[in-house]
Amino acid sequence: GNSVTQMEGPVTLSEEAFLTINCTYTATGYPSLFWYVQYPGEGLQLLLKATKADDKGSNKGFEATYRKETTSFHLEKGSVQVSDSAVYFCALSAGSARQLTFGSGTQLTVLP
Amino acid sequence: NAGVMQNPRHLVRRRGQEARLRCSPMKGHSHVYWYRQLPEEGLKFMVYLQKENIIDESGMPKERFSAEFPKEGPSILRIQQVVRGDSAAYFCASSPRDNYEQYFGPGTRLTVT
Repeated sequence: GNSVTQMEGPVTLSEEAFLTINCTYTATGYPSLFWYVQYPGEGLQLLLKATKADDKGSNKGFEATYRKETTSFHLEKGSVQVSDSAVYFCALSAGSARQLTFGSGTQLTVLP
Repeated sequence: NAGVMQNPRHLVRRRGQEARLRCSPMKGHSHVYWYRQLPEEGLKFMVYLQKENIIDESGMPKERFSAEFPKEGPSILRIQQVVRGDSAAYFCASSPRDNYEQYFGPGTRLTVT
C-alpha cells in the first residue's frame, strides 16, 4: 500500500537558519506529492505540491523537488522565520485512490 | 468565497453518547473527505463522499461510524456510543471535482470523557 515516512521531530531552529524536513514515500504508480502546514488550533493548509518527477513545488520561500529515483520530496527553506513555527505534513495521493496518505508530521519551532 | 466550515469546533461527549460532526464544503465543491487525527499522529483517511453517494469508506471503522452527504445541507460524520479512543481531531476537506486539490476545514476536536 501507499505510505509516507517523515523526519521525526520536533525540530528547533534559530531565525534565519536553513531548514530541511525529509520525506520519503512508497506508492503504486506515479503519485502526486504535497506538503501541508498546520498552525496551532487550525486546519491544514496546502503549502506546495508536485505532480510528476523532477517537478519543483515552491511557495513562501519553501521548496521541494519530486525525486522519483530516491522516492523523496524533502522540504527546504533557506532562511526560516518565527512565523514558520508549525507542524508540517508530507502527503501523497496515488492511483485510483482519491484520499491523501499523510506522514506523521514534523513540529518546527523557530526561535528569535 | 468562504472556506470549508466545520462545526462544532469543540465537542465533549460522555462515553456511550452520540457525536455528530458537520462539514460544509466550499461553494461549488461536491466532493467531501473526512480524516481523523489522533494525538501526536498524522491524519488518517476515513471516508470520501460525493453528493448522496459514499465513494470510498475503506478507512472508516466498521462499527459505530457512519457518514452522509445529502443533496442539500452539510456532510455529517456520526459516531454512535462514543468511547475514549474516539477522542481526536476530525478534519473535513472538499474539492470541486474528482482527483483535485483538497481544501481543509479547521477541524472538530472531539473529547470523550
